[in-house]
Amino acid sequence: EAEVAQSPRYKITEKSQAVAFWCDPISGHATLYWYRQILGQGPELLVQFQDESVVDDSQLPKDRFSAERLKGVDSTLKIQPAELGDSAMYLCASSKRTGIPPTFGNGTRLTVT
Amino acid sequence: SQKIEQNSEALNIQEGKTATLTCNYTNYSPAYLQWYRQDPGRGPVFLLLIRENEKEKRKERLKVTFDTTLKQSLFHITASQPADSATYLCALDIAGGTSYGKLTFGQGTILTVHP
Repeated sequence: EAEVAQSPRYKITEKSQAVAFWCDPISGHATLYWYRQILGQGPELLVQFQDESVVDDSQLPKDRFSAERLKGVDSTLKIQPAELGDSAMYLCASSKRTGIPPTFGNGTRLTVT
Repeated sequence: SQKIEQNSEALNIQEGKTATLTCNYTNYSPAYLQWYRQDPGRGPVFLLLIRENEKEKRKERLKVTFDTTLKQSLFHITASQPADSATYLCALDIAGGTSYGKLTFGQGTILTVHP
């Protein structure tokens, strides 16, 4: 079964450093989402792409977070500078089109020290 | 403010019993509601979607109900097994749209099924 690939699986960084996460969605999936999940809570949507365009980034803290999907395939989420409160699981999800529930990757666990 | 609440953080039951999880929401009129399963260290896995005009939906040992008057969904696992132990999340599209992926999640209920 096709999967959403994310790397790295784990990342430890010091506060004020830059960090980046990568996501490769299922082939042919035009819609891509980034979610953040703090331990003990449900995922929170950060940004939604349709192909290479941002559809919704209203919940993305734009002073430090950025996301791109340049060729409409894989995507990168960046945090600069990282803060202690950014420690969380960052999940990528994709779907073939907006009318289908998404498939999630297994996330990147970020720890900021 | 808008809110999605799952009734308990943790639910412990004996193998073979029916597990019932609750999801309540306020100030939404969602077109549909979704349930996901999440294992430790893994991403959520989609289980079931129920639309506002559907009262009940089933898939194997899973059953979901949706009461738009009570603003509540119930998720049942019948003949539960230890392998059903996981966190279960409910999710809505609060924008009332049809993207199905632009979701707001509840905090999850950790289900433990004891042998």
